Amino acid sequence: DAGVIQSPRHEVTEMGQEVTLRCKPISGHDYLFWYRQTMMRGLELLIYFNNNVPIDDSGMPEDRFSAKMPNASFSTLKIQPSEPRDSAVYFCASSILVETQYFGPGTRLLVL
Amino acid sequence: SQQGEEDPQALSIQEGENATMNCSYKTSINNLQWYRQNSGRGLVHLILIRSNEREKHSGRLRVTLDTSKKSSSLLITASRAADTASYFCASLGFQKLVFGTGTRLLVSP
Repeated sequence: DAGVIQSPRHEVTEMGQEVTLRCKPISGHDYLFWYRQTMMRGLELLIYFNNNVPIDDSGMPEDRFSAKMPNASFSTLKIQPSEPRDSAVYFCASSILVETQYFGPGTRLLVL
Repeated sequence: SQQGEEDPQALSIQEGENATMNCSYKTSINNLQWYRQNSGRGLVHLILIRSNEREKHSGRLRVTLDTSKKSSSLLITASRAADTASYFCASLGFQKLVFGTGTRLLVSP
């Protein structure tokens, strides 16, 4: 298996623009997680899905953030409008149980 | 914040030495895990210890868990330059992994 795939790997955008991050989980994994990593706040769970259904989105910073999982092999995290404080590395992870999670390589986002 | 704490924040050792990292967490857990993150990469799962276990080994890794103190430690024996990375503990409570702040380990040849 190719592991968790994320795209793009790097994104540079201007404040106010819409940003869409994409994730393909490992086949057969029924949990999918979105994390954000910054120097100041460390690794934060934003939202997670089980069988394509959002279970806990309490970590989503505000209404500018939204996430979808239309099918078992694809998820998106959207930021609209983006702000400089959204600059971070965004990770997607998947797992069979909640326990051992497999992380993608991350998307490094810079909002100017 | 639910985030766990790790110490030290940074650790610098020579190849062949042992490295010990400590983690404290805040809530009751089902298990505790350790992950490694190489610079610019995603996290990689290393080892999992369940709440009813006190010690676990995997290769050069040794993990201990003290649920009464809500703490865990990771020992890497006979370290190698390739062990240079950040190490995170992650406690699993109810359906969520809560990651610690991480320890940056530098192993010099």
